[in-house]
Amino acid sequence: DGGITQSPKYLFRKEGQNVTLSCEQNLNHDAMYWYRQDPGQGLRLIYYSQIVNDFQKGDIAEGYSVSREKKESFPLTVTSAQKNPTAFYLCASSIEWGQPNQPQHFGDGTRLSIL
Amino acid sequence: KNQVEQSPQSLIILEGKNCTLQCNYTVSPFSNLRWYKQDTGRGPVSLTIMTFSENTKSNGRYTATLDADTKQSSLHITASQLSDSASYICVVSALTGANNLFFGTGTRLTVIP
Repeated sequence: DGGITQSPKYLFRKEGQNVTLSCEQNLNHDAMYWYRQDPGQGLRLIYYSQIVNDFQKGDIAEGYSVSREKKESFPLTVTSAQKNPTAFYLCASSIEWGQPNQPQHFGDGTRLSIL
Repeated sequence: KNQVEQSPQSLIILEGKNCTLQCNYTVSPFSNLRWYKQDTGRGPVSLTIMTFSENTKSNGRYTATLDADTKQSSLHITASQLSDSASYICVVSALTGANNLFFGTGTRLTVIP
């Protein structure tokens, strides 16, 4: 079955440490996204990628970095510059950027906590 | 300012009962409106997508309505089941803008036996 796989499910970070969240999709989708979900707030866009080797900042990119070296992979690094990283992180993909009537498919998220 | 507001924030209903969730938006220019279901600890799953010209769309026991004039949408759940317990998120897409998806904060539905 096609889908999006995020790993790990739970991740703990020490102060001053960078951590990388994995996102892999086998849907052959061009566009991929990273969102952050906090209690009582709507999803907020961190980074998005329209196509391989391209990515753009979303609304809350500070303290995060991404890469898109392969179509199926879009890892997110939470750097030590992100002062409040505790959240639920969701990766998503869609067939093509700019196709508004196509749904986004989401992974099952990674919950990041600070030790 | 583009915003999506959902009500109520949370809702508890008895199994077998119907319920309706509300979504009001100010997103412009409007492209489409989506409802997602998110189980605890999981990612959202798309239920429906409605464009400007559609005012009703069903997916099993879920029926979404859209009034583009008043910028309101509702999600009606019929004959609720315990598995309907989840958060329901309304997402509105704008026609323009690099980041053109606007997310509501969700309604947390709990179905009790």
